[in-house]
Amino acid sequence: KAGVTQTPRYLIKTRGQQVTLSCSPISGHRSVSWYQQTPGQGLQFLFEYFSETQRNKGNFPGRFSGRQFSNSRSEMNVSTLELGDSALYLCASSLYSNSYEQYFGPGTRLTVT
Amino acid sequence: AQKVTQAQTEISVVEKEDVTLDCVYETRDTTYYLFWYKQPPSGELVFLIRRNSFDEQNEISGRYSWNFQKSTSSFNFTITASQVVDSAVYFCALSEKGSTLGRLYFGRGTQLTVWP
Repeated sequence: KAGVTQTPRYLIKTRGQQVTLSCSPISGHRSVSWYQQTPGQGLQFLFEYFSETQRNKGNFPGRFSGRQFSNSRSEMNVSTLELGDSALYLCASSLYSNSYEQYFGPGTRLTVT
Repeated sequence: AQKVTQAQTEISVVEKEDVTLDCVYETRDTTYYLFWYKQPPSGELVFLIRRNSFDEQNEISGRYSWNFQKSTSSFNFTITASQVVDSAVYFCALSEKGSTLGRLYFGRGTQLTVWP
């Protein structure tokens, strides 16, 4: 079974631009979560989607948004990029919810200049 | 307040030594789940184990073992006879059955370096 895939793997953007990251979960998994990882803040939860509905959201500004499609693929969007948005963005998929194992993708390394 | 605390920021050992990574958690939920993940230099988080709050049995998987103690809110991870390939950052994480369904709370991680 293929693992979680994330595209692109690396991205360089300029302040003020917007970016869209994509995540394809493991086949059959219906829950997708997004995390931001930075040296200063560690791993922080962004949001979680299940059956195209956002079930939970972390403490991030409205510039961070996401969605999930009927095939469980998910995208996250960051508008008006700031230097502090430079991070590794990790996507995780699980069968139903957090009571199950969450399997992570390789991440998208976003650099904002 | 941190829900998951990994007090050891960095640990260095020599190959074949045993090493224990500490994890202390905090939750008011009676039903919760604990996880350990490994993050090698490639960046991908690799799932190692999940335990639920009702199962305090210790678990052993090859060279890996986990000690879950609700009385001390700890879920420690031991690597026996460490190898160079064990070098990575290890994260302990908590998920709660309550309102934060779908969310993992991660500790800050422990960087383990195993020297040959």
